[in-house]
Amino acid sequence: GENVEQHPSTLSVQEGDSAVIKCTYSDSASNYFPWYKQELGKGPQLIIDIRSNVGEKKDQRIAVTLNKTAKHFSLHITETQPEDSAVYFCAASVGGTALIFGKGTTLSVSS
Amino acid sequence: DTGVSQNPRHKITKRGQNVTFRCDPISEHNRLYWYRQTLGQGPEFLTYFQNEAQLEKSRLLSDRFSAERPKGSFSTLEIQRTEQGDSAMYLCASGLLQGVGGYTFGSGTRLTVV
Repeated sequence: GENVEQHPSTLSVQEGDSAVIKCTYSDSASNYFPWYKQELGKGPQLIIDIRSNVGEKKDQRIAVTLNKTAKHFSLHITETQPEDSAVYFCAASVGGTALIFGKGTTLSVSS
Repeated sequence: DTGVSQNPRHKITKRGQNVTFRCDPISEHNRLYWYRQTLGQGPEFLTYFQNEAQLEKSRLLSDRFSAERPKGSFSTLEIQRTEQGDSAMYLCASGLLQGVGGYTFGSGTRLTVV
């Protein structure tokens, strides 16, 4: 079955810096790669996603890149703000089937 | 529609008791997913439905767990003879076929077994 590895497990940056979180997946059939932000006591919130027919997608300060050959995908957050502090999860799935999640990255943005 | 709704938000139960959680998905979503999340970990897949049909069950879903989606709308997850190891956040998500538009999660039900 699918396995998703996520690094780093914790990331501390200064406000205004960029943050990068990386994931790898094992199942070459996976074609949907979302990123979720989870704040304490809340459910995961979708922040951006990418499908296997696209190499990069950007939404304001957030971007995701996908390398299908290497089975890597990454989340890039630019100009970080304290409110970006949360746990971020990557996930992978095959067309609407179960999402398989990474173990998460705790991002801390200090002002 | 206000998103995916889960009830109750918190449940404390004694070991050996049965518990049932409810999930109301976004109305036009035909797929519904259950996940379990323990502290410091990512959500772990339990099972999912397409309309009323249960299409996949994880090996994590022991025979003490049962899920239903009787009319293809809301879903229930029941845990029988709860154990302390069942203490976790139980998350529900809904989505469309092929994952179009992504998966929307509810706020979860936090279960504590004492």
